[in-house]
Parts: sequence; C-alpha cells; structure tokens
Amino acid sequence: AQSVTQLGSHVSVSEGALVLLRCNYSSSVPPYLFWYVQYPNQGLQLLLKYTTGATLVKGINGFEAEFKKSETSFHLTKPSAHMSDASEYFCAVSRYSSASKIIFGSGTRLSIRP
Amino acid sequence: DAGVTQSPTHLIKTRGQHVTLRCSPISGHKSVSWYQQVLGQGPQFIFQYYEKEERGRGNFPDRFSARQFPNYSSELNVNALLLGDSALYLCASSLVSSDTEAFFGQGTRLTVV
Repeated sequence: AQSVTQLGSHVSVSEGALVLLRCNYSSSVPPYLFWYVQYPNQGLQLLLKYTTGATLVKGINGFEAEFKKSETSFHLTKPSAHMSDASEYFCAVSRYSSASKIIFGSGTRLSIRP
Repeated sequence: DAGVTQSPTHLIKTRGQHVTLRCSPISGHKSVSWYQQVLGQGPQFIFQYYEKEERGRGNFPDRFSARQFPNYSSELNVNALLLGDSALYLCASSLVSSDTEAFFGQGTRLTVV
C-alpha cells in the first residue's frame, strides 16, 4: 500500500524567505513522487516529479524537491518566496505513473507575509 | 491546444438525484482518470479508463460509475446522491496509461442539498 503524509496543514513565510513544505511517503515499491499546486477554484498543476535517476528534481517557478529514500521524504523547497506562491500544495505518490492511481496527501496551505 | 475540459463547472443537485459529469481529454490523450476532492482534503482516486476499458477503481460505492467513449471523452455518473458527495470532481488525462504525467482539468463543483 502507498500513502503520503504532509507535515503541517498551514505554513506561513515572509516574502523572500525560504519555503519548505514537508512530505513523507510510504511505498512497498519504488515510488513515483509528485508535487502539485492548486490555485483557488482550479484544478491541479504539476510542479515537479521524481521517477528515476537524479534525486534532486527541479520544477517550475523555482521550486525543487529532493528524493531521500533513506528518510522516505520528498520535501519541496524554494529559496525565496514570492507573493504569487500563496496557494495549496499537494504531495502525491504513484505506483507506476501519474496516469495511474495517484495517492495525494491532505495538502499544505502556503501563505506569504509581505 | 485546449487543455482538459470539464462540464459543467458548477451544479447543484438534490439528495437522491442522479448526476452526469463530463470530461474531454487533451487531443491525442487516451487515458482519463477521475478524482473526488472534498473541501479541505486531497483528491481521491475514483476511476481510470484507457482505450475505453476500466483500468483502475478506487474505494467508492457502486453508485459511482464511469465510461469512456470512442473519442476518449468520459462521463462520471453518480446515482442516489448523498450530501457527502458534495465535492470538486477532477478529471485528468494522459497520453497513455503508463505516462508519467497527467494533466488535470479545472473540475466540476457539485453541491448536493
């Protein structure tokens, strides 16, 4: 079975500060890992994904995440927060690909303080 | 190119009624998946269809059903609506069933009263 735990339902940072959203996963097989962002009343947009290979994954809008197998973690980071980053972020895991069943975490709401 | 389109964007139904939600995948995409997102939670997988065949089913009651048409569009049907079915229903499409990226539509907001 696969599962995802996002630590912190709400994270607040100052504009220009480091963004760190935490995600831990559980999977009995090598996982595919994803971070999605959801803007209000909209669908999900893929920020980045890890399938195989390099464990540091770079995504859109300056975000990146590192796959750490030993820690079963896939934390999302951005060096400098921008006001436009305020949104809901979901970590997700899939057994094969995102085209198949995706297991989502409960989400982390990111707020940016001026 | 148009992205994944879902219709309607919003609708209100009464308990016990039936609802049909529609999804048109990105042109050329043959795989469609459906997710339910209850307010304040992450999306939950309902179904995946590929080449008109069901390839996966989540833990949802038999009141939920879906199908995929020859043009790869899809319908999600929910019978005997309950208040708890109120949610954002998301459709995602991908090129093939093993693709590593799925593209999501903006969803249909269903309110059951």
